[in-house]
Amino acid sequence: DQQVKQNSPSLSVQEGRISILNCDYTNSMFDYFLWYKKYPAEGPTFLISISSIKDKNEDGRFTVFLNKSAKHLSLHIVPSQPGDSAVYFCAATGGGSEKLVFGKGTKLTVNP
Amino acid sequence: NAGVMQNPRHLVRRRGQEARLRCSPMKGHSHVYWYRQLPEEGLKFMVYLQKENIIDESGMPKERFSAEFPKEGPSILRIQQVVRGDSAAYFCASSPLQGQRYEKLFFGSGTQLSVL
Repeated sequence: DQQVKQNSPSLSVQEGRISILNCDYTNSMFDYFLWYKKYPAEGPTFLISISSIKDKNEDGRFTVFLNKSAKHLSLHIVPSQPGDSAVYFCAATGGGSEKLVFGKGTKLTVNP
Repeated sequence: NAGVMQNPRHLVRRRGQEARLRCSPMKGHSHVYWYRQLPEEGLKFMVYLQKENIIDESGMPKERFSAEFPKEGPSILRIQQVVRGDSAAYFCASSPLQGQRYEKLFFGSGTQLSVL
């Protein structure tokens, strides 16, 4: 039972363009959502988060949008840079749980 | 300030052997989490520990797996009698705070366990 779904295994964009990574969830108890970035042979690093009381959070080139009614969130990267090439994981938690539930990840490739 | 240190980076075991994975949290962090990433999958929660206490082990397989975080020394994830299905990347994360402050959650580089 996959509670957090990232349906696109990979995404390729040109440098300078927008990257949009999508994530869907099924558990209504989730109230906090995060995006992690992972390079090969390294652990995930925190990128940006959003609480369910908000619908948007922005940090520099990164913006996360949350649509609670659709149980959908997205990460926008503008402008995309080659150094952004990595695997991006969507994660969720809620209900007082200490656990993060991760999606399978989307591999982003930004071409120069 | 060193990050979360995991060792070994790569561990090869034959079926039936024991695997011990070590995690030293960041300085000042007293909360440790273990996650496992199977091939082509996302990270899955295994266990949450504080010093000398297991807080949540709901993600741990019922048999062969155990974890500890002693008062002194690193956290240890122990897998007895390994099977091929245990082959995965095991990530440790540490936090100075309890829960819901995930911006302060830092992951190690992981241990890649391969079972022959």
